[in-house]
Amino acid sequence: KAGVTQTPRYLIKTRGQQVTLSCSPISGHRSVSWYQQTPGQGLQFLFEYFSETQRNKGNFPGRFSGRQFSNSRSEMNVSTLELGDSALYLCASSLQGPAYEQYFGPGTRLTVT
Amino acid sequence: LAKTTQPISMDSYEGQEVNITCSHNNIATNDYITWYQQFPSQGPRFIIQGYKTKVTNEVASLFIPADRKSSTLSLPRVSLSDTAVYYCLVGALISSGSARQLTFGSGTQLTVLP
Repeated sequence: KAGVTQTPRYLIKTRGQQVTLSCSPISGHRSVSWYQQTPGQGLQFLFEYFSETQRNKGNFPGRFSGRQFSNSRSEMNVSTLELGDSALYLCASSLQGPAYEQYFGPGTRLTVT
Repeated sequence: LAKTTQPISMDSYEGQEVNITCSHNNIATNDYITWYQQFPSQGPRFIIQGYKTKVTNEVASLFIPADRKSSTLSLPRVSLSDTAVYYCLVGALISSGSARQLTFGSGTQLTVLP
């Protein structure tokens, strides 16, 4: 079956702009989690959506938000971009939640200039 | 919040067994321990998951002592292709919706030498 897909794969934005990233989970997976990966902070959990509801949230400012649609596809939005938001954003899907086996997408590399 | 600690890097030779330990002193009762492998420019890939004692699958074993404050990922007979970063993740299986964070370890860069 098809894996987790993320679009776009690469993105360059300017400080102050906003960005929307998209994630299509594996068919049948209702849980979608988002992570930020940077060399300095490593892998950090942003939030998890399950059946269109945000179920878990990490320690990120309100500029980071997300949503999930009825087909389980998810989007993540970052408003008022800062240089420090430059990172690899990973999406992962699972049947029941992020503490279960997760399948990660290839990530979106966001560069903020 | 379960903070996790892993060695930054490890070197090994092909054919050897490698053990990577993760410390999670504040692990909660409902938390499971999961290990992931990540290659450059790819998302992490699930290796193994466990709650207590020992779990084994076709690629690895996971040892968890009775106090569950640490866990050890064991990779038998590593090859060059096992060179990657290995992460441990501690988190609850079921979330009631509260802001319970998932904690990834900082990752261990395993380098397998010929």
